Amino acid sequence: TQLLEQSPQFLSIQEGENLTVYCNSSSVFSSLQWYRQEPGEGPVLLVTVVTGGEVKKLKRLTFQFGDARKDSSLHITAAQPGDTGLYLCAGAVGDYKLSFGAGTTVTVRA
Amino acid sequence: NAGVTQTPKFQVLKTGQSMTLQCAQDMNHNSMYWYRQDPGMGLRLIYYSASEGTTDKGEVPNGYNVSRLNKREFSLRLESAAPSQTSVYFCASRLAGGRDEQFFGPGTRLTVL
Repeated sequence: TQLLEQSPQFLSIQEGENLTVYCNSSSVFSSLQWYRQEPGEGPVLLVTVVTGGEVKKLKRLTFQFGDARKDSSLHITAAQPGDTGLYLCAGAVGDYKLSFGAGTTVTVRA
Repeated sequence: NAGVTQTPKFQVLKTGQSMTLQCAQDMNHNSMYWYRQDPGMGLRLIYYSASEGTTDKGEVPNGYNVSRLNKREFSLRLESAAPSQTSVYFCASRLAGGRDEQFFGPGTRLTVL
C-alpha cells in the first residue's frame, strides 16, 4: 500500500492547455518532493516543499503544499511538448527514506 | 562528474540464476538507495544505506541482498532470480537525508524468464 496517491494516472492534453496533478495522503510529511522522469532515464528533482501552504513556482510550473502537509499539487500553465513525462511525488519518511506515489504520465500533443 | 552510474543497462536471466547489479556515485554522498519500478507502481524501495557501513530494508527486500562496499559503491544481488523480479532497477544517492535531493542512475532493465 502506497502512502501517496497520485491522480490522475494518465493525462493527455493539447499544447497550450493547462493541467493539474494531485498527490494525496492521510499521512503528514515533513517535506515533499516532485520529480520528473523521461523514458529510459532516472527521475530528476523539480522541487522540494517543506512548509504547509507553501507555493513554489518554476517557470510555468506551480507547486503547492497543503496546509496540513498531507497533500500537494503540480499545475502546469500553457503546457508544451517538452513537459511530456512521468511526474512523481515523494514524501519524506523518517530521516533517510522517500515514499513515492505511483506517478502521473503526462502527454502534451503538438 | 558522472553522477550515479549503474551496470549493466540490460540483463536477461533464467529463473534461478544469480546476478549482481553495480552502482557507483562520485558526488561524495553518504546515503544510497536501490529501487525497483514497475508499471503503475511508482518507485518502491528495496534497500538503502544511510551511511557507509550500514544497510537497512525498504518496502520490498525479499529476494535481494545488498553490500555497501565503500562510500562510493552500493551493489544489489539477486541470489535466485524469479520472474516476479522482472523490473527496472534504479540506484540513487543523496548527500544525507531529510530534504536533500536524490540523484538517480539511468536504470537497469532486468528480465527474468
